[in-house]
Amino acid sequence: AQTVTQSQPEMSVQEAETVTLSCTYDTSESDYYLFWYKQPPSRQMILVIRQEAYKQQNATENRFSVNFQKAAKSFSLKISDSQLGDAAMYFCAYHILTGGGNKLTFGTGTQLKVEL
Amino acid sequence: DGGITQSPKYLFRKEGQNVTLSCEQNLNHDAMYWYRQDPGQGLRLIYYSQIVNDFQKGDIAEGYSVSREKKESFPLTVTSAQKNPTAFYLCASKGGFATDTQYFGPGTRLTVL
Repeated sequence: AQTVTQSQPEMSVQEAETVTLSCTYDTSESDYYLFWYKQPPSRQMILVIRQEAYKQQNATENRFSVNFQKAAKSFSLKISDSQLGDAAMYFCAYHILTGGGNKLTFGTGTQLKVEL
Repeated sequence: DGGITQSPKYLFRKEGQNVTLSCEQNLNHDAMYWYRQDPGQGLRLIYYSQIVNDFQKGDIAEGYSVSREKKESFPLTVTSAQKNPTAFYLCASKGGFATDTQYFGPGTRLTVL
């Protein structure tokens, strides 16, 4: 079975500090995309960052960056200069390109708290 | 504005009744998806449609039905056969097959009384 594991149910970070959320996944496919989505209290799912598995370069999006280790099947999210608005549930997910119905497989999420 | 709308935001139903959740998108996306979210769990796929008049079951399709008569609309019916329908339901859409990113609507919270 293809799975996504987020081993940290909750994380805390001080405002302006850096935090890293971990994610591991299991797939036998070689072509896929990886995503981090953010779900604030409004419950709207917001795309944070995406990574193509065929690219070795780690994706960055302003204060958000990933550490993608394909061999280890690891995809962590680093948030720099944390802000109060970053407080949310963060979900890691992947989407395979061949078959699989183009569906996203999600982890169970990490609740991030940002403290003053 | 382009986007995905879901209505209603909150929905209550009596046990044994069918209820339909609306999902509309004006992004001209081909593919649409329905997910269910329960506390402490990630999103689980109920149904998806890659093209008009075609749809496939996801991981937890039992007790649900869908239709895709128009490109912009993908309604989900929660039937009385669904054993535990109280949950948060999210609709998403994606461009053509070669694209990869799904965009989500604001969700509908369904409560069975």
